[in-house]
Amino acid sequence: KAGVTQTPRYLIKTRGQQVTLSCSPISGHRSVSWYQQTPGQGLQFLFEYFSETQRNKGNFPGRFSGRQFSNSRSEMNVSTLELGDSALYLCASSFSGLDTEAFFGQGTRLTVV
Amino acid sequence: GQQVMQIPQYQHVQEGEDFTTYCNSSTTLSNIQWYKQRPGGHPVFLIQLVKSGEVKKQKRLTFQFGEAKKNSSLHITATQTTDVGTYFCAGPWGGGADGLTFGKGTHLIIQP
Repeated sequence: KAGVTQTPRYLIKTRGQQVTLSCSPISGHRSVSWYQQTPGQGLQFLFEYFSETQRNKGNFPGRFSGRQFSNSRSEMNVSTLELGDSALYLCASSFSGLDTEAFFGQGTRLTVV
Repeated sequence: GQQVMQIPQYQHVQEGEDFTTYCNSSTTLSNIQWYKQRPGGHPVFLIQLVKSGEVKKQKRLTFQFGEAKKNSSLHITATQTTDVGTYFCAGPWGGGADGLTFGKGTHLIIQP
């Protein structure tokens, strides 16, 4: 079966701009989680969506937001980009959430200049 | 404070030597998962442990969940160059409100 697809793979943005990242989960998976990965902080949880509802949210500022569509595809948006937002953004899908295996996409590498 | 501690942060081994990484929690967990991330890649699920004292094996990999469900370990026997990568433990620390929380990971470097 097809894996988790994230687009785009790479992005370069300027400070102050906004960006939207997309994630298509594995067919049948209703839970989509987003993570930010940096060398210093490791993998940090952003939020989780399940059946179009945000179920959990990590400790990130309100500039980070997301949504999930009826087909389970998810998007995350970062507004007013800062240099510190440069990171690998990973999306993970699972059948029901935290208690089940998570399948990660290849990630979107965001560079803010 | 940090709810999960994973050690060591880096581990250099000669090919053929064994490797172990440990994950220690301040709280009891309902389950713990292990992931591997190759350089330049994304995390890939290895296993999930649920029961107290559980031991699971995958070829050269042995996973253990502590009796108190507060710690876990991953042991690799006779490492190979294909084992290179970062190994993460992950669990629903914070009752799940923080999502699947990952440890900082152990970077395994293998010298041929």
